[in-house]
Amino acid sequence: AQSVTQLDSQVPVFEEAPVELRCNYSSSVSVYLFWYVQYPNQGLQLLLKYLSGSTLVKGINGFEAEFNKSQTSFHLRKPSVHISDTAEYFCAVSGATNKLIFGTGTLLAVQP
Amino acid sequence: NAGVTQTPKFRILKIGQSMTLQCAQDMNHNYMYWYRQDPGMGLKLIYYSVGAGITDKGEVPNGYNVSRSTTEDFPLRLELAAPSQTSVYFCASSYSRGSNYGYTFGSGTRLTVV
Repeated sequence: AQSVTQLDSQVPVFEEAPVELRCNYSSSVSVYLFWYVQYPNQGLQLLLKYLSGSTLVKGINGFEAEFNKSQTSFHLRKPSVHISDTAEYFCAVSGATNKLIFGTGTLLAVQP
Repeated sequence: NAGVTQTPKFRILKIGQSMTLQCAQDMNHNYMYWYRQDPGMGLKLIYYSVGAGITDKGEVPNGYNVSRSTTEDFPLRLELAAPSQTSVYFCASSYSRGSNYGYTFGSGTRLTVV
């Protein structure tokens, strides 16, 4: 069975600083990996996904993530955050079951 | 705009009441899903469907029922509401078997059971 761990429930950061949101997964089969963003009182929106190929994946709003198979990680990064990036970010994995399994989420709190 | 539409956006139920959360998509997606979101718990899969007439249980199906009579609609039924069902419910859909195209989510239904 697959599982996803997001160790940081909240990440405070100042505006224009870089940020990394951590995600580790567990799976015995090949996986697809995703990051979703949820703005307050809204549904989830796909940020980026890793299916195969290049391990560095670029998404919307300047975010990118790197798939590291040996460390079973898929950390999300942005070199310079804005106030508007304040949201909850979810890492998700799918594999043999073809269903998305979500992590518990990380609240990115960008401060001026 | 194309997407997943959920109604209602908010609802307060009394213990023991029943209700149906509506979900409709206009993207001709075969796969549809219901999740609940609780603080600090992420999203948990309640039920899913791989096509009209076919549904299956997810991680947390107890207390819920679903049906899928058309490709477009996937309603979620709560028969006897309990306080433990207070949550935000999200419906989602995807194009193919597997989620490699990503899911499209609705904007959610916030349900409070008192």
